[in-house]
Amino acid sequence: GDSVTQMEGPVTLSEEACLTINCTYTATGYPSLFWYVQYPGEGLQLLLKATKADDKGSNKGFEATYRKETTSFHLEKGSVQVSDSAVYFCALSPTGGGNKLTFGTGTQLKVEL
Amino acid sequence: DAGVIQSPRHEVTEMGQEVTLRCKPISGHDYLFWYRQTMMRGLELLIYFNNNVPIDDSGMPEDRFSAKMPNASFSTLKIQPSEPRDSAVYFCASSFTGRGRNQETQYFGPGTRLLVL
Repeated sequence: GDSVTQMEGPVTLSEEACLTINCTYTATGYPSLFWYVQYPGEGLQLLLKATKADDKGSNKGFEATYRKETTSFHLEKGSVQVSDSAVYFCALSPTGGGNKLTFGTGTQLKVEL
Repeated sequence: DAGVIQSPRHEVTEMGQEVTLRCKPISGHDYLFWYRQTMMRGLELLIYFNNNVPIDDSGMPEDRFSAKMPNASFSTLKIQPSEPRDSAVYFCASSFTGRGRNQETQYFGPGTRLLVL
């Protein structure tokens, strides 16, 4: 079945450091890929998405590129801020839709001054 | 748009009591999802509906859990009787099918924090 694997956390960075959170997936066909973010005490919210190979999703300085050849969708940001501290979830929606998402286990990011 | 609305936001109850969680999806959305989140098990999909019909309830942990969607704007998740191990944050999410860049995207509510003593 479909699955998403993301790096274990927590990830602790200093403000203005570069961020990469790895995400790889297993799925048939051409799933849509998502990154969701969960701030403390809140629900998950969509950060960015990509629906086909080589698409780049971007939002709030975060980027991720849909790499079909490596089945990856790594999240990157060039300069993190304390306000980026949150849990980040990678997810996929299978080919053909159905709107059900398969989530990774989440990666906690802590950004310190 | 008000987004997905969940109530109550916090619930504290005693073991054996019935608990009912409520969700109002975003207007026009035809999918509704119930999730449970704990430190130990992470985010788990419990059940989801399409056009008010349950599609997959394989994530519902036991017969003590039940969910209904009587109409397009309301859903409930009920636990009867509740147990301490049911303590978690329960999220409702909705999405829509059709054309547009936001189809497939799930929109989450703020969650209900349940504590069973």
